[in-house]
Amino acid sequence: QSVLTQPPSVSGAPGQRVTISCSGSSSNIGTYHVYWYQHLPGTAPKLLIYRNNQRPSGVPDRFSGSKSGTSASLAVSGLRSADEADYYCAGWDDSLTGWVFGGGTKLTVL
Amino acid sequence: EVQLVESGGGLVQPGGSLRLSCAASGLTFNKNWMYWVRQAPGKGLEWVANIKYDGTEKNYVGSVKGRFTISRDNAKNSLYLQMNSLRAEDTAVYYCASGDSMDYWGQGTLVTVSS
Repeated sequence: QSVLTQPPSVSGAPGQRVTISCSGSSSNIGTYHVYWYQHLPGTAPKLLIYRNNQRPSGVPDRFSGSKSGTSASLAVSGLRSADEADYYCAGWDDSLTGWVFGGGTKLTVL
Repeated sequence: EVQLVESGGGLVQPGGSLRLSCAASGLTFNKNWMYWVRQAPGKGLEWVANIKYDGTEKNYVGSVKGRFTISRDNAKNSLYLQMNSLRAEDTAVYYCASGDSMDYWGQGTLVTVSS
């Protein structure tokens, strides 16, 4: 069981908006930044959001991140078939003295 | 363009050892934290270890402490993971990543621990 809790799956129709939640605790999300990664199995994971809500250059503004208390979320708007992938939240955990990942959420575009 | 290329994966028997390497280019290697992250078959991403840009700080996930050692050679722009006493549950694709936010990732190398 992962330290950060994500729903196993979310889905939406093309053009719609979906959100993926990430729930943690005071030793991780409550104190430190949250990061989001997109991963297609067999390929290199890609950084989507850093420091809770910052987008690296090249990441479309359809992807946005937010954080409140010990929870965070990733929103994907204007869904496209190319967005089908696994999405992971991650961050530092003080109690474990290491990085932790959420269990991952599979996004399906209907 | 940042490139990270992992190598050294393969099939090893339980209790055996393996050394993974990650060759980096396109970044100022000696100014970047480096990481190893793995994905077991059918599972999610799991952080394994990280190392500070000058090698003075290293952290490990609990399940590999005492068995795995992360190291780097800044003169060769290379990252390593020495894996000893390997177990079946260490079977995974191992990725190296760089940057404060794990900004860049390699394509991964497969490690299979089986008799």
